[in-house]
Amino acid sequence: DQQVKQNSPSLSVQEGRISILNCDYTNSMFDYFLWYKKYPAEGPTFLISISSIKDKNEDGRFTVFLNKSAKHLSLHIVPSQPGDSAVYFCAASFYGGSQGNLIFGKGTKLSVKP
Amino acid sequence: DSGVTQTPKHLITATGQRVTLRCSPRSGDLSVYWYQQSLDQGLQFLIQYYNGEERAKGNILERFSAQQFPDLHSELNLSSLELGDSALYFCASSVDFSSYEQYFGPGTRLTVT
Repeated sequence: DQQVKQNSPSLSVQEGRISILNCDYTNSMFDYFLWYKKYPAEGPTFLISISSIKDKNEDGRFTVFLNKSAKHLSLHIVPSQPGDSAVYFCAASFYGGSQGNLIFGKGTKLSVKP
Repeated sequence: DSGVTQTPKHLITATGQRVTLRCSPRSGDLSVYWYQQSLDQGLQFLIQYYNGEERAKGNILERFSAQQFPDLHSELNLSSLELGDSALYFCASSVDFSSYEQYFGPGTRLTVT
């Protein structure tokens, strides 16, 4: 049973517009969430994270929103650039646990068209 | 470049064989994680080591094993390989055992024929 779900396998956006990537989770014990970006032939790279005590975290063009009651988070990219074209993975973890392993969604492939 | 290195980059082998994948973490990182990414799947956590000791186990098959050596590099051993083991295997590292921000290597693509 998937605990972290990214229901959109792909998303296409025009350069300069907003990209919104969505992620749902089922386990209410998750309290830290991350987004990773992956280019072909490379490993995932950390993009942005959010703790469950917050509902928004912003870093430059990237903002992550967390709605705990809906068990939903989203990543907003504004403005989108062609270099943002990649697969984006949502991941979740448990705070203060004895391990730091991440539980990933299946990813959303973002294509930003010039 | 994340600072995490993985060798080999590609591996093609036959069913029933055994292979070893190698990972060197970022300088200073004590924790190493192994993940498997099969076709159309997200990254599945396999196992975590911290400073030479096993810290956590995920969906790792009994045919798979891993270890972390005193110099902190790690090896993932896959034996009695099956076609379904074909996947990308990623290693990641972090400073300590509960760090959320992990740094991933480029992966090893394993093809079992």
